[in-house]
Amino acid sequence: DIQLTQSPSFLSASVGDRVTITCRASQGISSYLAWYQQKPGKAPKLLIYGASTLQNGVPSRFSGSGSGTEFTLTISSLQPEDFATYYCQQLYSYPRTFGQGTKVEI
Amino acid sequence: QVQLVQSGSELKKPGASVKVSCKASGYTFTSYAMNWVRQAPGQGLEWMGWINTNTANPTYAQGFTGRFVFSLDTSVSTAYLQISRLKAEDTAVYYCAREQWLGYHYFFDYWGQGTLVTVSS
Repeated sequence: DIQLTQSPSFLSASVGDRVTITCRASQGISSYLAWYQQKPGKAPKLLIYGASTLQNGVPSRFSGSGSGTEFTLTISSLQPEDFATYYCQQLYSYPRTFGQGTKVEI
Repeated sequence: QVQLVQSGSELKKPGASVKVSCKASGYTFTSYAMNWVRQAPGQGLEWMGWINTNTANPTYAQGFTGRFVFSLDTSVSTAYLQISRLKAEDTAVYYCAREQWLGYHYFFDYWGQGTLVTVSS
């Protein structure tokens, strides 16, 4: 199975900050990586797929990059509604594993 | 618009069974695979497996074989997750999620709202 390791697990930030979350895969997954945002009590929401393609309707302050084993999710200017937990997921092979999550808090 | 609507919360005793439904609307049900994801209290997302909505062939992740069954009723565009011989550690929110593909990329673009299953005596 492919393991995904996110760092950091917790991130304390302020409104307006630039935030970067890293996701490392235990083996190469090309660009078969998605990022999701989850708020408490809600279902995850797709932000980015194919490592760098922004899902329709997602604000442009979110961006993704990377290929192979190392990926990043960047929020260029953190907004109050961005405080949430973020997960990466690989869709290169089965099982479709998720990272452990990164909680972004004030 | 695409929607996945899941059944409501369940409170079950250990050893009982539960069946969670996920009703799809706004798209052709058999054109997209359906996945199931578990989230234990305060924990991360765990992929349970998927079901091919054309053939009804399920695939289960390790740790979700034996007591977990994915099924379909395509006449009502609904996927089901049944868990038998429930244990306390099955307490979690269970999500269904549609798998989309565009070009060579796959992703879960629509999710149900989640169903909380609580197992307690």
